[in-house]
Amino acid sequence: KNQVEQSPQSLIILEGKNCTLQCNYTVSPFSNLRWYKQDTGRGPVSLTIMTFSENTKSNGRYTATLDADTKQSSLHITASQLSDSASYICVVSAETGFQKLVFGTGTRLLVSP
Amino acid sequence: ETGVTQTPRHLVMGMTNKKSLKCEQHLGHNAMYWYKQSAKKPLELMFVYNFKEQTENNSVPSRFSPECPNSSHLFLHLHTLQPEDSALYLCASSQEPTGGTDTQYFGPGTRLTVL
Repeated sequence: KNQVEQSPQSLIILEGKNCTLQCNYTVSPFSNLRWYKQDTGRGPVSLTIMTFSENTKSNGRYTATLDADTKQSSLHITASQLSDSASYICVVSAETGFQKLVFGTGTRLLVSP
Repeated sequence: ETGVTQTPRHLVMGMTNKKSLKCEQHLGHNAMYWYKQSAKKPLELMFVYNFKEQTENNSVPSRFSPECPNSSHLFLHLHTLQPEDSALYLCASSQEPTGGTDTQYFGPGTRLTVL
């Protein structure tokens, strides 16, 4: 069964600190992996996307890594800001004729002043 | 803003009411989607439209009825809902639904409460 698991479920960090969010998946055949940020009361917004051949991708203070062998990904946030408080959702695309997206339940991050 | 708008943002309805959710995308995309997001559960894909044609119905109960009059507009008609249907309903669009690295752009969602 195609699944995406994220950890931790929730996280509280102090402003300015770094953090890493984890994503493990069992989606097959694999096409690509995305990280989305979802602010409270808003829709998800894409942060990064990585295909099988890519093992790191950055977007400002966000850096995503992908290990296709172990089927793991991480999202590292550097020098956190209050505006980073949101849910971060890992989404894996299965390589089928129709773009099948498998969503994780997300990690809820709270950046505290 | 992502270029995808949804109205209303909040909706409270009784189980016997009929209401509709509206989504509009200003991105020139060909594919549109309805998702349901319940608390502590992953997003659930409900319907997919490609060039106004429904290409996916993910075993959604008939009390949810989608309509796509053109590539820019998508509706979700609701009738005789249950309290467990209370959730955030998200609309998304992408250039095309068929694989690749195409990104889906989400609207802000409609927070639905069924009493």
